[in-house]
Amino acid sequence: KAGVTQTPRYLIKTRGQQVTLSCSPISGHRSVSWYQQTPGQGLQFLFEYFSETQRNKGNFPGRFSGRQFSNSRSEMNVSTLELGDSALYLCASFRDRVSHEQYFGPGTRLTVT
Amino acid sequence: DAKTTQPNSMESNEEEPVHLPCNHSTISGTDYIHWYRQLPSQGPEYVIHGLTSNVNNRMASLAIAEDRKSSTLILHRATLRDAAVYYCILRGYGGSQGNLIFGKGTKLSVKP
Repeated sequence: KAGVTQTPRYLIKTRGQQVTLSCSPISGHRSVSWYQQTPGQGLQFLFEYFSETQRNKGNFPGRFSGRQFSNSRSEMNVSTLELGDSALYLCASFRDRVSHEQYFGPGTRLTVT
Repeated sequence: DAKTTQPNSMESNEEEPVHLPCNHSTISGTDYIHWYRQLPSQGPEYVIHGLTSNVNNRMASLAIAEDRKSSTLILHRATLRDAAVYYCILRGYGGSQGNLIFGKGTKLSVKP
């Protein structure tokens, strides 16, 4: 079956702009998590969604937000971009909240200039 | 969640077994041990998980110490494709598995 799809794969934005990233989970999976990966901080959890509700949130400022739609697709939004937001943003899909296996997408590489 | 400790890097020769250690001395009785790996320029990939007993799957084996304070991921015959960063992660039972806490992991290099 098809894997996790993330769009766009690459993005260049300017400081102060906002950006929306999209994630389509594996068919039948109802949970989606988002992670940020940078060379300095490594992989950090952003938020988790299940059945259109945010279930967990990592330690990120309110500029980072997300949502999940009824078809389990998810979007994350970053407003007022800062240079430090340059990172690889990864989405992971899993069947339900107690599934042990998360399936990661290829990520969206965001560069803020 | 309890903390894990892994070596920063390890080297292996192709077609030889690799034993990747992970220490988790503060593990609780309900923590599962998960392993993920991240190949260059890709998202992380689930490898294996276990609770108390040793586990095997098509990718690897997981050996868990009797006191559960450490575990070892075993790749039986390393290939060049196994060169990746390997993460050992603990997750509590019953709660959401969604928020994985990644450490720095072990960077595995495989020499031909």
